[in-house]
Amino acid sequence: GESVGLHLPTLSVQEGDNSIINCAYSNSASDYFIWYKQESGKGPQFIIDIRSNMDKRQGQRVTVLLNKTVKHLSLQIAATQPGDSAVYFCANYNQGGKLIFGQGTELSVKP
Amino acid sequence: SQTIHQWPATLVQPVGSPLSLECTVEGTSNPNLYWYRQAAGRGLQLLFYSVGIGQISSEVPQNLSASRPQDRQFILSSKKLLLSDSGFYLCAWRGQGRNSPLHFGNGTRLTVT
Repeated sequence: GESVGLHLPTLSVQEGDNSIINCAYSNSASDYFIWYKQESGKGPQFIIDIRSNMDKRQGQRVTVLLNKTVKHLSLQIAATQPGDSAVYFCANYNQGGKLIFGQGTELSVKP
Repeated sequence: SQTIHQWPATLVQPVGSPLSLECTVEGTSNPNLYWYRQAAGRGLQLLFYSVGIGQISSEVPQNLSASRPQDRQFILSSKKLLLSDSGFYLCAWRGQGRNSPLHFGNGTRLTVT
């Protein structure tokens, strides 16, 4: 079946270091991927998206990389700050048009 | 710009009582609307979605129902709450474009006692 999963449930980084959060997907027909950030007690917040005709997309301090060959995408956060501490989800739409989320990676930033 | 509002932010209800959670979207028309539930452990489960007024699709059989009485209003209801209905309920919207992200409200924390 279709799934979107994350490699690690938690990630701890030092403030100022770069963070890399990984995600694997199973549906090779997926053509659009989204990353969300969810802080405690709040709804998921859209960070960045990427279409399958791209390998890389950059935002403010964030970069998403897409490797369609191995069905893997990653979110890179540069110069991680305490405010980046949150749970990060990757998501994509399944063939039925429904947004499927991974289980999330909790990012902790150590001062 | 578009905004989404959910209320209440927190709710404590006894078992067997009714439920009504409301969500409204501003700044857009004919959005797709969604209700998700997030249990402890972070996974988001799609409960209902709607592509137009009066059109509701249910993803999982359960004790809840949804309604869309107006274009930008989405309501989640229950006639009798169960303990297992406790969770974090999130409303979301997106435009009609095929590849566009969902935008979420800030959720309602429901505790059934």
